[in-house]
Amino acid sequence: RKEVEQDPGPFNVPEGATVAFNCTYSNSASQSFFWYRQDCRKEPKLLMSVYSSGNEDGRFTAQLNRASQYISLLIRDSKLSDSATYLCVALDPSWGKLQFGAGTQVVVTP
Amino acid sequence: DVKVTQSSRYLVKRTGEKVFLECVQDMDHENMFWYRQDPGLGLRLIYFSYDVKMKEKGDIPEGYSVSREKKERFSLILESASTNQTSMYLCASSLRDRGGGGRHFGDGTRLSIL
Repeated sequence: RKEVEQDPGPFNVPEGATVAFNCTYSNSASQSFFWYRQDCRKEPKLLMSVYSSGNEDGRFTAQLNRASQYISLLIRDSKLSDSATYLCVALDPSWGKLQFGAGTQVVVTP
Repeated sequence: DVKVTQSSRYLVKRTGEKVFLECVQDMDHENMFWYRQDPGLGLRLIYFSYDVKMKEKGDIPEGYSVSREKKERFSLILESASTNQTSMYLCASSLRDRGGGGRHFGDGTRLSIL
C-alpha cells in the first residue's frame, strides 16, 4: 500500500470554476503535510503547507482531516495557469523523510 | 533565489554502462536528495545526504550509489545501468532543519537506458 495516495485525474475544470481533490495518507504519526505543484516537464515547487487548522493562500485552500487521514486542496476561480499536477506530500516524523503522492492532474479549459 | 542545477536534461545510455548524474546547489544547503519519478509511483527517494561525505539510503537504493565530496555537489551513480532505471531523476536540496516545505528541486534529468 502506498504511503500517500491520490486520484491521478485528470480533473477537467472550466476556467473560473472551483475544483477540489483529496489525498489520503497511511502513517497516522505524520504531522506535516504539503502541496507541491509540478508543471509539465518541470520540477516540483512548493505550493503551500497544510496546517492543522487549515489554511488559505489566495484562491487556494488546504484542509487537514486527521481523523480520516486525508488532506484536501481546493482551487477557486480556476485560471488556465493552474493547469498542473498537484503532489500531496507527508513528512515522516521518524526521520524527516518526505512521502510523495503520485499526483493529481488538473486541466483548466477556456 | 535558490538554484539547483542538474548537469543534463536528457541523457541516453546503454545497458551496463556506468552513469553519473551531477547536481549542484548554490545556497549552502546542508541537505541534498536524489529522487526518481515514474508515472503512477510519484517521487521515490534513492539516497540523501545531510553533510559532506555523509550518505543515507532512501527507499530504493539498489543499483545506485552516491558521492558528496563537497557541500554543494551531490552525485548519483548508476554502477551498471539497466533498462528499469529509465526514469526522470530529480535532485533536491534544503537547509538542515527545514521540513518538507523547504525542498528546492532541480529541473530533472530524463534518463533513458537502451
